[in-house]
Amino acid sequence: DAGITQSPRHKVTETGTPVTLRCHQTENHRYMYWYRQDPGHGLRLIHYSYGVKDTDKGEVSDGYSVSRSKTEDFLLTLESATSSQTSVYFCAISESSRGIKNIQYFGAGTRLSVL
Amino acid sequence: AQSVTQLDSQVPVFEEAPVELRCNYSSSVSVYLFWYVQYPNQGLQLLLKYLSGSTLVESINGFEAEFNKSQTSFHLRKPSVHISDTAEYFCAVRAEAGGTSYGKLTFGQGTILTVHP
Repeated sequence: DAGITQSPRHKVTETGTPVTLRCHQTENHRYMYWYRQDPGHGLRLIHYSYGVKDTDKGEVSDGYSVSRSKTEDFLLTLESATSSQTSVYFCAISESSRGIKNIQYFGAGTRLSVL
Repeated sequence: AQSVTQLDSQVPVFEEAPVELRCNYSSSVSVYLFWYVQYPNQGLQLLLKYLSGSTLVESINGFEAEFNKSQTSFHLRKPSVHISDTAEYFCAVRAEAGGTSYGKLTFGQGTILTVHP
């Protein structure tokens, strides 16, 4: 999985609790992304980062926040988890946002269940 | 903005039969095109990509896709499938340059390919 580690791989939590998912990369790529995968929707972008402390929203960012204090780590936080956030979450990385260097490589995913 | 439509949510085929997974896209700008594959309980792996040049691109495991600009399609084909090709396949597009969605991948809904013995 292209030097990308997601943790935890599985998590069950209760509605209203905070949850943080971690993505760690060893490729020193500048760009990192968080997606969620839901049946019938493919993958949808939640947030992405274009450098340390530089982040921006994707198409489904409500209820999520991110932080990137180091090049290698990108954290996704659900401040107060809801059942609608039950999903599989994927982290991706790319060397650049431009041209042929924007090839995104994905981690193995985190399966989150909010009860 | 870009959008991607994968026309079949599920495609069952028998082993050694040919298969085509259909992908159409919509975009007001030129795009790069990708196919990703997701095997059960795994992450997404890049299968093949069209960035420029020949409109026919091939993967190392026998899949090919052809970029058809006039029909805005990027269908994935394999002349003879194996049991091990059972997976979910995602088509994705990205704008080459410009626009608010520049640099971002937009995915289709996915097609589950099931190969039966």
